[in-house]
Amino acid sequence: SYELTQPPSVSVSPGQTARITCSGDALPKQYAYWYQQKPGQAPVLVIYKDSERPSGIPERFSGSSSGTTVTLTISGVQAEDEADYYCQSADSSGTYPWVFGGGTKLTVL
Amino acid sequence: EVQLVESGGGLVQPGGSLRLSCAASGFTFSSYEMNWVRQAPGKGLEWVSYISSSGSTIYYADSVKGRFTISRDNAKNSLYLQMNSLRAEDTAVYYCARSNHGDYDFDYWGQGTLVTVSS
Repeated sequence: SYELTQPPSVSVSPGQTARITCSGDALPKQYAYWYQQKPGQAPVLVIYKDSERPSGIPERFSGSSSGTTVTLTISGVQAEDEADYYCQSADSSGTYPWVFGGGTKLTVL
Repeated sequence: EVQLVESGGGLVQPGGSLRLSCAASGFTFSSYEMNWVRQAPGKGLEWVSYISSSGSTIYYADSVKGRFTISRDNAKNSLYLQMNSLRAEDTAVYYCARSNHGDYDFDYWGQGTLVTVSS
């Protein structure tokens, strides 16, 4: 089955830029999506189609894609951004269209 | 305002059954594809099942195929997940999630309902 690989953890100081990566062989052909999940809460979509931001999501959240890696960038990180972040995408054939990465814990120091 | 409210979770013995429900409001339920996504305690997200807007197309993750059945009642704005032959590894918070039109992402999620499979 298809896999998406994320780093388990990323740490950043307030005001700095956090970058969370997600790697997968099919990412050059498939869009990626990003979710933020705070403890005890449901996930929230923060980026769709690699780099689009849903309404209501702060501009400091952005997404990019390069080859087999997509990146969620949070500029000017705030304490409230501390959460787990998950990428999601599909394999190249679409056989497994709903695959999640293992998640990355963002810690704001 | 879009709202998805799950119910039906609880404690069940291995081999038992449970039926989850998701009540939708704030949008035209019959126009949207829907999903169940679960999260085991302290673990990541796992997609479980998908159903098209009409209910005519259904997909399951390999881990639940043959044991779980997704369905919907568009007249009642409700989504269901019938879970049979439950195993300890099915223990998780189960989320109802709406598919973004024509895309693979989930744009709205419920708050989840906890299913615990234990003797």
